[in-house]
Amino acid sequence: GENVEQHPSTLSVQEGDSAVIKCTYSDSASNYFPWYKQELGKGPQLIIDIRSNVGEKKDQRIAVTLNKTAKHFSLHITETQPEDSAVYFCAATDTGRRALTFGSGTRLQVQP
Amino acid sequence: EPEVTQTPSHQVTQMGQEVILRCVPISNHLYFYWYRQILGQKVEFLVSFYNNEISEKSEIFDDQFSVERPDGSNFTLKIRSTKLEDSAMYFCASSELPSSDEQFFGPGTRLTVL
Repeated sequence: GENVEQHPSTLSVQEGDSAVIKCTYSDSASNYFPWYKQELGKGPQLIIDIRSNVGEKKDQRIAVTLNKTAKHFSLHITETQPEDSAVYFCAATDTGRRALTFGSGTRLQVQP
Repeated sequence: EPEVTQTPSHQVTQMGQEVILRCVPISNHLYFYWYRQILGQKVEFLVSFYNNEISEKSEIFDDQFSVERPDGSNFTLKIRSTKLEDSAMYFCASSELPSSDEQFFGPGTRLTVL
């Protein structure tokens, strides 16, 4: 089955800096890659996603890139703010199935 | 903004007891899921449900687990005889259509088995 690895496990940046979180996946059939943000006491919130027919997608300060050949995808947050502090999860699935396979999470701390 | 809701937020039970976790998916959504997250571990898929039947389940989802949509709004996860290792955060999620990739998660129910 699919295996998703996520790095780093923790990331501390200064407010205004950029943050990059990376994930690799094992199943070449995977074609949908969402990113979730989880704040303390809340459920995962979908923040951006990308499908395998696209190499990059951007939504304001957040972008995701996908390299199908290398089987990795990354989350980029620019101009970080303290409210970006949370745990971020990547996930992958083959849309022929439904089950998301999650990475282990990255705790992002944005220092004011 | 519509959201998935879950009750209770925290459930404490004795080993061997049955528990039912409840979810109200987003109202026009048709595809439903349960995931769990054991403390310090990854979020894991349990089951997906569409058109009143299970469409996919993981190896975690054994005979101790069952799901049901008892009415037009609720979606439930039942654990028949809880074990200590069932202690986890359980998340419900929903998707608008079978063709929709996006899954929207609820806030979770923390299950503690003593």
